[in-house]
Amino acid sequence: AQKITQTQPGMFVQEKEAVTLDCTYDTSDPSYGLFWYKQPSSGEMIFLIYQGSYDQQNATEGRYSLNFQKARKSANLVISASQLGDSAMYFCAMREGLSGGYNKLIFGAGTRLAVHP
Amino acid sequence: DAGITQSPRYKITETGRQVTLMCHQTWSHSYMFWYRQDLGHGLRLIYYSAAADITDKGEVPDGYVVSRSKTENFPLTLESATRSQTSVYFCASSSGWDLGSNQPQHFGDGTRLSIL
Repeated sequence: AQKITQTQPGMFVQEKEAVTLDCTYDTSDPSYGLFWYKQPSSGEMIFLIYQGSYDQQNATEGRYSLNFQKARKSANLVISASQLGDSAMYFCAMREGLSGGYNKLIFGAGTRLAVHP
Repeated sequence: DAGITQSPRYKITETGRQVTLMCHQTWSHSYMFWYRQDLGHGLRLIYYSAAADITDKGEVPDGYVVSRSKTENFPLTLESATRSQTSVYFCASSSGWDLGSNQPQHFGDGTRLSIL
């Protein structure tokens, strides 16, 4: 079974608008962390934002925020005021607790975002 | 401030050859990781290291060897390269990857390896 599911292979958004990239996860471990990474066409992986399973508030980092719905096991990334430079591949990743092998990040398949002027 | 650097960026070699991918980080991070990225599989963990001289297998370790004699370096060796090892390889490091830590993994720019 997929541990991390990103159901949107590709997304389009108009510049300056907000966009939500979906991520659902599957774990039975009560302690886990969720990460979002951006991979531009140049290939590097850039860390964007982190949400811990015990965090009471949704994480925010500048124009990035995480819509964390624990009961639904979803951790959607919201990018506000999209910019052309936001065009990239976006990966959701999870780190489980002891029961899941906490030494690794489990990645989703990614969502390719295209920002149009 | 280079952070984490991988070399070479691109490499073409032949099946059966040994090839080593280098990873160097300047942050003195304890934890280092090697991933491979393939279409349809996303990123998968090959090996990781919690500290110098401590390494362990990840999800897809077969055909790879790692070492970590110094904190800042974590080379990955393909002992006898096969076509199935054609991939993009990423090295990553983290200052704290203990259970419950919120520190992320920071990635290098990747090495694109083609095996003919």
